[in-house]
Amino acid sequence: EIVLTQSPGTLSLSPGHRATLSCGASQTLSNSFLAWYQQRPGQTPRLLIYDASSRATGIPDRFSGSGSGTDFTLTISRLEPEDFAVYYCQQYETSPTFGQGTRLEIK
Amino acid sequence: QVQLQQSGPGLVKPSQTLSLTCAISGDSVSVSGVSWNWLRQSPSRGLEWLGRTYYRSRWFNDYEVSVKSRMGIIADTSKNHFSLQLNSVTPEDSAVYFCARARDLTTPFFDSWGQGIVVTVS
Repeated sequence: EIVLTQSPGTLSLSPGHRATLSCGASQTLSNSFLAWYQQRPGQTPRLLIYDASSRATGIPDRFSGSGSGTDFTLTISRLEPEDFAVYYCQQYETSPTFGQGTRLEIK
Repeated sequence: QVQLQQSGPGLVKPSQTLSLTCAISGDSVSVSGVSWNWLRQSPSRGLEWLGRTYYRSRWFNDYEVSVKSRMGIIADTSKNHFSLQLNSVTPEDSAVYFCARARDLTTPFFDSWGQGIVVTVS
């Protein structure tokens, strides 16, 4: 099983600032099969990024994904109020697994 | 626009069987190349993929190792839905259960989700 470790656990930032979230894999994702999801309170996860850097349909371009191997990053260039949520990474190189999440909160 | 609508009981007694259904609109459960998945989320275990079903000339199922011996997923083409059965539940199976679509068999990320059902085993 590939274990994903997300950091930081909680990120406190102000609207308009840039957010950088990290996801580390316990094994190399040779195909960069990594996705990012946003989950707002009481809602279902929403696909943001797949294949490490491809934006899903309807996702604003302030969201971007990067990385390869074992280190991946989700960047939100200018935080909007609706972006404060929990973010999860998921690998699908093997049987799908998720990270434990990063909580993005308003500072 | 794919929509997934979940149904099923929110309370199950220990040792009994949890049964949930996911009704699909805007897609077909038997379309080739797409998988239909069950996941769950709990404070102790986080987000966890449980298994999937898909059609490729015949039906296939894959299950996460930790639940494989207790789990079944069945598709019903006449009703365009798929169902989860999890046997011999314990309180550790209490979670929010989601169904979700993965639009490609080889790259199973989840682009459509059901609304989630809170299941308590007690």
